Amino acid sequence: ETGVTQSPTHLIKTRGQQVTLRCSSQSGHNTVSWYQQALGQGPQFIFQYYREEENGRGNFPPRFSGLQFPNYSSELNVNALELDDSALYLCASSHLRAGGYTFGSGTRLTVV
Amino acid sequence: AQTVTQSQPEMSVQEAETVTLSCTYDTSESNYYLFWYKQPPSRQMILVIRQEAYKQQNATENRFSVNFQKAAKSFSLKISDSQLGDTAMYFCAFMKHPSQGGSEKLVFGKGTKLTVNP
Repeated sequence: ETGVTQSPTHLIKTRGQQVTLRCSSQSGHNTVSWYQQALGQGPQFIFQYYREEENGRGNFPPRFSGLQFPNYSSELNVNALELDDSALYLCASSHLRAGGYTFGSGTRLTVV
Repeated sequence: AQTVTQSQPEMSVQEAETVTLSCTYDTSESNYYLFWYKQPPSRQMILVIRQEAYKQQNATENRFSVNFQKAAKSFSLKISDSQLGDTAMYFCAFMKHPSQGGSEKLVFGKGTKLTVNP
């Protein structure tokens, strides 16, 4: 097992720009979820992908989009960045119906 | 919709002592999972313990145990023999059981910051 790795670890972007965050899931995990964790808050569910298809979405606007690839990697894309998008973005992977997730260490995004 | 409430923003405990973190939740689901996650300054969410709602026996993992009261919708975490390395944010989380269908999203509380003092 290689764990879940995320890149980059830190990122600074300007309001209005676009950003892509990347995640490499644990080997064999066919489900990946993305969470946004604002400072001092618990993580909020953005969306989940299962076998490269979106399998559920939280209360986030369409400018938050994702992709999952056959090699278990995934991306979170955010367009038209806003100051409130500044947060820690966590990726978590598992087998569907496994009843639990392995998390990465996150990407700290700062929008200025 | 499910909600998870952690009423203790911060707690502290002396090394080697016992501390209990509180969590309550609200759901209309009959079957689900409850979790405690630890998030140290390294930021990675680490699973501490998991409880399946249909199991009456409280889960235990070494120094960590839970008191699961399904009727009261309460799920507290007890840490025995606290160690300096236990210092972290602790999050309680809910997930609908996969057999219920839909996405398997985790619903988190706001967290409790635990400090273990030497």
